[in-house]
Amino acid sequence: NAGVTQTPKFRVLKTGQSMTLLCAQDMNHEYMYWYRQDPGMGLRLIHYSVGEGTTAKGEVPDGYNVSRLKKQNFLLGLESAAPSQTSVYFCASTSELARGWNEQFFGPGTRLTVL
Amino acid sequence: GQQLNQSPQSMFIQEGEDVSMNCTSSSIFNTWLWYKQDPGEGPVLLIALYKAGELTSNGRLTAQFGITRKDSFLNISASIPSDVGIYFCAGQLRRGSTLGRLYFGRGTQLTVWP
Repeated sequence: NAGVTQTPKFRVLKTGQSMTLLCAQDMNHEYMYWYRQDPGMGLRLIHYSVGEGTTAKGEVPDGYNVSRLKKQNFLLGLESAAPSQTSVYFCASTSELARGWNEQFFGPGTRLTVL
Repeated sequence: GQQLNQSPQSMFIQEGEDVSMNCTSSSIFNTWLWYKQDPGEGPVLLIALYKAGELTSNGRLTAQFGITRKDSFLNISASIPSDVGIYFCAGQLRRGSTLGRLYFGRGTQLTVWP
């Protein structure tokens, strides 16, 4: 199993450009999450999904959109990138069967710079 | 959102020393977890705690779920260079609720000198 994978690993955007980050998991997990990590801020939840076709807002959703068209994929979109969105983005997934609700499995991250 | 206060922010220690870090919250959590993040990687779960007062070990790591359910502690004994990384605490308000949502502390950056 590959676990949770993220593409791309790195990306540089100009202000106003758009892009989509892809997260894929092969563990058949129902729940998927997008976090951003900024220095000294820990991990903050952007959006999450409880299943195919459903999404919900997390702590810092503004400027981002998400879609979960397939159970194994969770896409994070930036419609008009801003320098404040420079961050490292992590995707995570979990399942009721993954020792309860609690153990989230993380991808390796996408480092995004917006100039 | 829920605020988890994690301290210290950073630690610089020599190989062989013991390390302690903690996390406190104004809310009661039903589950506490500790993650480690190596440079350039995603966080990996170290220890999960499910009961107030619980003390759990994983090799040289020991974590405790505070009796008030508002705090947790992580200790690392006899540190080695590969312990370097960022350690995060995370809490869940009610088990099985909010669809698995976790709240994270800001992390403790650990540096180990040989």
